[in-house]
Amino acid sequence: AQSVTQLDSHVSVSEGTPVLLRCNYSSSYSPSLFWYVQHPNKGLQLLLKYTSAATLVKGINGFEAEFKKSETSFHLTKPSAHMSDAAEYFCVVRATNRDDKIIFGKGTRLHILP
Amino acid sequence: GAVVSQHPSRVICKSGTSVKIECRSLDFQATTMFWYRQFPKQSLMLMATSNEGSKATYEQGVEKDKFLINHASLTLSTLTVTSAHPEDSSFYICSASWGQLTDTQYFGPGTRLTVL
Repeated sequence: AQSVTQLDSHVSVSEGTPVLLRCNYSSSYSPSLFWYVQHPNKGLQLLLKYTSAATLVKGINGFEAEFKKSETSFHLTKPSAHMSDAAEYFCVVRATNRDDKIIFGKGTRLHILP
Repeated sequence: GAVVSQHPSRVICKSGTSVKIECRSLDFQATTMFWYRQFPKQSLMLMATSNEGSKATYEQGVEKDKFLINHASLTLSTLTVTSAHPEDSSFYICSASWGQLTDTQYFGPGTRLTVL
């Protein structure tokens, strides 16, 4: 079985400051992990994914995430927030075993303060 | 590349009628398509997974006779909400992927269904 927990439902940061969105997972098998962003009235867009290659994954728009097996975490970071980063972010876990499900976290709403 | 479209983007229907939502992969062949439901300010809930040419696999608690899924070609999947009721009002999102299990899903923009 697998699960994913996004530890914060809302995060507020000032423009130009670092962003940290936290995600912890559990999986019976080697997981694939994804971060998606959902802007208002738009479809989900893939930010980055981890599939057992490099543990530090770089994505679009300056985001990156580090897979830490010992901590079962896959936190999303960005050095400097931009107003356009305001959106809902979802952490997703998917096992390599065909019988396991795709599980979405509950989402974290990122607010950018001017 | 990897664009997925959904049609319609919004639909309003009367209780008891059926509504069909289309999901198309525009520039790739999708071996697998997924249908999700998203309630306001909540996460996505996977409803079913469909592979081209075979029956969809429904998640526990999702009525397959209520939510009919057809994946007739590698670029088209349809979700039909039969005999819709107000509690079926929701945001329905499809996604598509190809290749191995861990491949990325590409999401459509979603369809807002309102049942009166």
